[in-house]
Amino acid sequence: ELKVEQNPLFLSMQEGKNYTIYCNYSTTSDRLYWYRQDPGKSLESLFVLLSNGAVKQEGRLMASLDTKARLSTLHITAAVHDLSATYFCAVDSGAGVLQFYFGTGTSLTVIP
Amino acid sequence: NAGVTQTPKFRILKIGQSMTLQCTQDMNHNYMYWYRQDPGMGLKLIYYSVGAGITDKGEVPNGYNVSRSTTEDFPLRLELAAPSQTSVYFCASRRLAQYQETQYFGPGTRLLVL
Repeated sequence: ELKVEQNPLFLSMQEGKNYTIYCNYSTTSDRLYWYRQDPGKSLESLFVLLSNGAVKQEGRLMASLDTKARLSTLHITAAVHDLSATYFCAVDSGAGVLQFYFGTGTSLTVIP
Repeated sequence: NAGVTQTPKFRILKIGQSMTLQCTQDMNHNYMYWYRQDPGMGLKLIYYSVGAGITDKGEVPNGYNVSRSTTEDFPLRLELAAPSQTSVYFCASRRLAQYQETQYFGPGTRLLVL
């Protein structure tokens, strides 16, 4: 069974601090996707990581992928309140790229 | 473009009732998906479709049915609703099965089965 695990599940951090969210997965897929969900809202795509060593940055968020370790990280730099949301990682099912498997999410609260 | 739209936004069902959740996308995407999200959890795939007339089961298909008669529409049917189907349902679409293609999600339907 394909598993996608995120940690931490809950994260409360002060504005201005840095932190990293981890996403471990059990499949051999080389592709990983990050999404953001605001409370009561839908999911918004953040990053698509397509190969080992891929790194993408958008504002205060940077995502990376290590396919050998089956690990992706989402690094938050100098957090601001607007980053408060739940972050999900997802992997695809490999050949054919038909199905996506989501982690349980990391609920991030940035405190002023 | 409206993207992915879902109706209704919220619905209360009694045990044993049936309903159809509607999903429409106007991006001419081939792939469409139905997920459920239970409180505090990630998304679980219910059904997906790779094009009109072609559907397949995901991780949690029991109690649901789908059809795809057009590229745009992908309705999800709940037969004999049960309390375990209380959840938020998201429809998503994707242009192609290409690796760089992410999914685009609808706003969700909140379903409460009592």
